[in-house]
Amino acid sequence: EVQLVESGGDFVQPGGSLRLSCAASANYVMTWVRQAPGKGLEWLSVISNSGDTTYYADSVKGRFTISRDNSKNTLYLQMNSLTAEDTALYYCAKDKGTRAFDIWGQGTMVTVSS
Amino acid sequence: QSALTQPPSASGSPGQSVTISCTGTSSDVGAYNYVSWYQQHPGKAPKLMIYEVFKRPSGVPDRFSGSKSGNTASLTVSGLQAEDEADYYCGSYAGGDKGVFGGGTKLTVL
Repeated sequence: EVQLVESGGDFVQPGGSLRLSCAASANYVMTWVRQAPGKGLEWLSVISNSGDTTYYADSVKGRFTISRDNSKNTLYLQMNSLTAEDTALYYCAKDKGTRAFDIWGQGTMVTVSS
Repeated sequence: QSALTQPPSASGSPGQSVTISCTGTSSDVGAYNYVSWYQQHPGKAPKLMIYEVFKRPSGVPDRFSGSKSGNTASLTVSGLQAEDEADYYCGSYAGGDKGVFGGGTKLTVL
């Protein structure tokens, strides 16, 4: 069974940028989901298995960009103009194509603070 | 897209059944048979328990079942066991290839 491993989480100042990576994601529709400390899940973005189609939640549209490099078996999430509200554990997940997520990584923590 | 509505908490004794509701709109839950449910234990990643309203992934006990009526989906856990104590989240396809989750329900096994 495929395993997903996120990386790239860090402590960043407001207004800053960060790129998250998710290894072992080739050939699948993939999604990013986040969970603020003590809060629920929030769907962020999805990318087709080829990478030519992407969709975003309104809360991150225009600031976050999902992409993938299938030759490297890696999914990315470029996050710009970060605010404290973006502080969360970020998960990548394999999407069954219907916004049902059957395989999850362990998450990578992003903290936005001055 | 607005979050789906779940009760913040639910509880039951071992062996009993408990049902958790998930209310959306005619644009998400009511429009598609693409409702999913996730179990999350503290400090762990979510685990898919139900997808497409009632389907169970391999390995999920048949004590977990899902259903939908109109804009409301439900997860029923029968024969409650101590290890079922966790947070449960519903999710739905929300049109425009977007997804949406509920706020989560903390299930306590008394």
